[in-house]
Amino acid sequence: DAKTTQPTSMDCAEGRAANLPCNHSTISGNEYVYWYRQIHSQGPQYIIHGLKNNETNEMASLIITEDRKSSTLILPHATLRDTAVYYCIVRDAGNYQLIWGAGTKLIIKP
Amino acid sequence: DTEVTQTPKHLVMGMTNKKSLKCEQHMGHRAMYWYKQKAKKPPELMFVYSYEKLSINESVPSRFSPECPNSSLLNLHLHALQPEDSALYLCASSPGLYGGPDTQYFGPGTRLTVL
Repeated sequence: DAKTTQPTSMDCAEGRAANLPCNHSTISGNEYVYWYRQIHSQGPQYIIHGLKNNETNEMASLIITEDRKSSTLILPHATLRDTAVYYCIVRDAGNYQLIWGAGTKLIIKP
Repeated sequence: DTEVTQTPKHLVMGMTNKKSLKCEQHMGHRAMYWYKQKAKKPPELMFVYSYEKLSINESVPSRFSPECPNSSLLNLHLHALQPEDSALYLCASSPGLYGGPDTQYFGPGTRLTVL
């Protein structure tokens, strides 16, 4: 079963920051939070991951709360090409499996 | 380079056909994965190869047969499939760092239609 809950869908205006929330209240100490996105009919694209600390890369920032029970993916300047389904995933460091939730359909509007 | 390639992009096959899907990566990754994805659903794990040995089989029917000829290649042999097996088949690879973050990178997928 999925260990994450996300909003089913969200809208964001082009050029604005898109903030995608994720709840993972049952996360354990050795589980990583991963974010992937999937543009229609393409393979999932890795975005970012974190364990405890906030992380930033060229695509996005990941903010993890201190109790690690939730996180937020931030796309700083959303473009139309960021329209996709965004998956928040919890993964045990000792396990190959990614536990996928249903994802958030993010629609960027002009 | 984080590229995983898959061939073919599209495949249409009859229920009596035998076909194969191919996946390749040249990132030196030691874990490779097959996933199945139905429309509007997240990917479902089918198989995991770790260091060229099958380590996870998620109770997949025997009409799907994986093969890992070497550390860069992963095949999925298909035989006597059913129409409900029509889906997007995704391959992924990861460094194989057990105990670490071990990020998976996905290929573009093969869209399979079984008639």
